[in-house]
Amino acid sequence: DTAVSQTPKYLVTQMGNDKSIKCEQNLGHDTMYWYKQDSKKFLKIMFSYNNKELIINETVPNRFSPKSPDKAHLNLHINSLELGDSAVYFCASSPGQGGVKLFFGSGTQLSVL
Amino acid sequence: SQQGEEDPQALSIQEGENATMNCSYKTSINNLQWYRQNSGRGLVHLILIRSNEREKHSGRLRVTLDTSKKSSSLLITASRAADTASYFCAGTSGSRLTFGEGTQLTVNP
Repeated sequence: DTAVSQTPKYLVTQMGNDKSIKCEQNLGHDTMYWYKQDSKKFLKIMFSYNNKELIINETVPNRFSPKSPDKAHLNLHINSLELGDSAVYFCASSPGQGGVKLFFGSGTQLSVL
Repeated sequence: SQQGEEDPQALSIQEGENATMNCSYKTSINNLQWYRQNSGRGLVHLILIRSNEREKHSGRLRVTLDTSKKSSSLLITASRAADTASYFCAGTSGSRLTFGEGTQLTVNP
């Protein structure tokens, strides 16, 4: 009954591979996010969707493509993985946009070798 | 650009002591939030203070906001070993929530 669940928790892969991270929330929220946390724990927003519509798209390489099949799911697909993509990726959701609290998943530790 | 900068980057105290963490931000905000992150886990929301508020309490947490100085502080009173975690401030501007660098708090039993 986890509120925001993302899989897998750990992902180890070779450079050049394509991988996906899945996220689902059962809170009935309209807005979902992907954040990247680097080795210094700095959190940077990557994407935000509201009711399946992309509303925030930060300066992220176009190798990263989010997909929201419905408002409860926001998946992240990464093509041609690079060493610099190694990080922890967090999915989050919120009941609306702007000024509301976020509910986070437990993170996906991506290691690109 | 990064919204918040936190001070100190790391703080180590004894159980029972108070812990104070500070956050400064650069642009105007609608509200400021604090989150906790335990090692290997996701962030958990602690408290939200609106731009027209100066102080807010929640249990052992006390948050202040000074919009003239663009700064906020989080005070944890009577700390416990279980409070050991990273603490992040995050400012909301429009629809965007931007996080600071975080403070690593260690509470020694």
